[in-house]
Amino acid sequence: DAGVIQSPRHEVTEMGQEVTLRCKPISGHNSLFWYRQTMMRGLELLIYFNNNVPIDDSGMPEDRFSAKMPNASFSTLKIQPSEPRDSAVYFCASSFNRVAFFGQGTRLTVV
Amino acid sequence: GQQLNQSPQSMFIQEGEDVSMNCTSSSIFNTWLWYKQDPGEGPVLLIALYKAGELTSNGRLTAQFGITRKDSFLNISASIPSDVGIYFCAGPRWDDKIIFGKGTRLHILP
Repeated sequence: DAGVIQSPRHEVTEMGQEVTLRCKPISGHNSLFWYRQTMMRGLELLIYFNNNVPIDDSGMPEDRFSAKMPNASFSTLKIQPSEPRDSAVYFCASSFNRVAFFGQGTRLTVV
Repeated sequence: GQQLNQSPQSMFIQEGEDVSMNCTSSSIFNTWLWYKQDPGEGPVLLIALYKAGELTSNGRLTAQFGITRKDSFLNISASIPSDVGIYFCAGPRWDDKIIFGKGTRLHILP
């Protein structure tokens, strides 16, 4: 298996633009997580899905953030409109039997 | 809510030294996970612990799941330059949500 695949690896965008981050989980994994990592706040859980259903989105910062999982092999995290404080590395992870495997992350810079 | 507290936050050691770091929680976890994150990469699973008291090794790494299921330690023997990175402990809750500690940042002095 190729592991969790995230795209793009890097994204630079202007403030106010819409940003969409994509994730393909490992086949057969039933849970998917979106994390954000910054130096100040460390690794924060934004939202997670179980069997494609959002279970806990309490970590989503505000309404500008939304996440979908239309099927078992694809998820998106969207920020609209983006702000400079959204700059961070965003990780997607999928899990099976409560062990998570991470993608390589998307480094987002909002200028 | 459940939290995992890692210590120390950072470590500066000489190459060849042994390293010890730990993770504690006020709540019980049934599984304990240790990850390592290299610069510019996502965290990678090092060791998974499933039973209280379990001691597991992976090469130079050794991890133990505390008897009370509220703590765990990770040891690295004879550190080498590629051990540099951030080490995270993590525990899955009853609802499959995986909680991460804030990490221990390991630096190796030349």
